[in-house]
Amino acid sequence: EPEVTQTPSHQVTQMGQEVILRCVPISNHLYFYWYRQILGQKVEFLVSFYNNEISEKSEIFDDQFSVERPDGSNFTLKIRSTKLEDSAMYFCASSESILSGANVLTFGAGSRLTVL
Amino acid sequence: RKEVEQDPGPFNVPEGATVAFNCTYSNSASQSFFWYRQDCRKEPKLLMSVYSSGNEDGRFTAQLNRASQYISLLIRDSKLSDSATYLCVVNKQDSSYKLIFGSGTRLLVRP
Repeated sequence: EPEVTQTPSHQVTQMGQEVILRCVPISNHLYFYWYRQILGQKVEFLVSFYNNEISEKSEIFDDQFSVERPDGSNFTLKIRSTKLEDSAMYFCASSESILSGANVLTFGAGSRLTVL
Repeated sequence: RKEVEQDPGPFNVPEGATVAFNCTYSNSASQSFFWYRQDCRKEPKLLMSVYSSGNEDGRFTAQLNRASQYISLLIRDSKLSDSATYLCVVNKQDSSYKLIFGSGTRLLVRP
């Protein structure tokens, strides 16, 4: 079964440091997403990406966040200057379509970010 | 009102029981509805999409009531392996890209 892969599985960083989280979406999927889940809270949308540009972003996705598809396979989330409150599980997801009812997301296993 | 609202539970049921979860959503224009399952510290995994006419997948049945803006999930003959958090997911009004997740309903199936 095709899967979304994410690295690293866990990253510990100091406040103020830059972090890059990497994702390899499913190969025939065209839409890519980052979601995050703070421990004990719900899954929250960060950003969606299509055709090499951001298609939508949430209010959480401020100037310290950026996404990139540097090559044909990777999709990255960069956090420029991490804050304590950025500690969370970050999930990458991809979908084949955005058509209603068919916009099923397949999630990666997540990257746990701990900011000290 | 929250965009997607679920009873957090936990629902503690014996093996073999039937259990039902409800979810309400605030945006009447939402078009896509899903149930995802999330095990502790794992990623959400699609359980089933929810269609207007209702749909069934083995022991799982999903219903959508657009007039009342709620979605339900029925699990029959519960198994120990059904223990997880069940997430109700709805697309944001006027957005095909953004899915809104409920906080989840926790199910514990005991022997």
